[in-house]
Amino acid sequence: AQSVTQPDIHITVSEGASLELRCNYSYGATPYLFWYVQSPGQGLQLLLKYFSGDTLVQGIKGFEAEFKRSQSSFNLRKPSVHWSDAAEYFCAVGAGDGNKLVFGAGTILRVKS
Amino acid sequence: ETGVTQSPTHLIKTRGQQVTLRCSSQSGHNTVSWYQQALGQGPQFIFQYYREEENGRGNFPPRFSGLQFPNYSSELNVNALELDDSALYLCASSLARGPSYGYTFGSGTRLTVV
Repeated sequence: AQSVTQPDIHITVSEGASLELRCNYSYGATPYLFWYVQSPGQGLQLLLKYFSGDTLVQGIKGFEAEFKRSQSSFNLRKPSVHWSDAAEYFCAVGAGDGNKLVFGAGTILRVKS
Repeated sequence: ETGVTQSPTHLIKTRGQQVTLRCSSQSGHNTVSWYQQALGQGPQFIFQYYREEENGRGNFPPRFSGLQFPNYSSELNVNALELDDSALYLCASSLARGPSYGYTFGSGTRLTVV
């Protein structure tokens, strides 16, 4: 069965600083990996996804993530955070032949000016 | 192209009542999934419908049921509401089964059970 761990419940960064949100997954085969962002009271917006190929994937809003099979990780990064990036971020994993996504518990990002 | 639309946006129900939540999938999408997101948690898979048939179910009791219609819109029904059913219910649609097609999420229905 798949599982996702996001070790950081809250992270605070200064505006303009770099950001890295951690995600570790558990799945026996090659996973389908996703990062979503959720603003308060809103649904989920897809930032980026990884299925195969280049392990560094680019997403919207200047985000990128790197798939590291040896570490079972799919960390999300952004070189310079903007105040509008404050939100909750979810990592999710899906099985290739599956019908669901398994989400982590989320990381709440605070941006201080 | 329209995205995923959910209604209502907010709902308050009394314990023991029944509720129906609705979802209009994105144009061209034939697969709909429902997720429950309790406060402070990640979304949990309830079930998925593909071309009007249930295509998998998460760890939810039978009082959670669903339907998908020929136009691929969907309903989530919850009977005998419990206080723990209070959550944000998210609908997601996709082009077909399987995660490779990606999922488009709606803004959710906030259900409060009192």
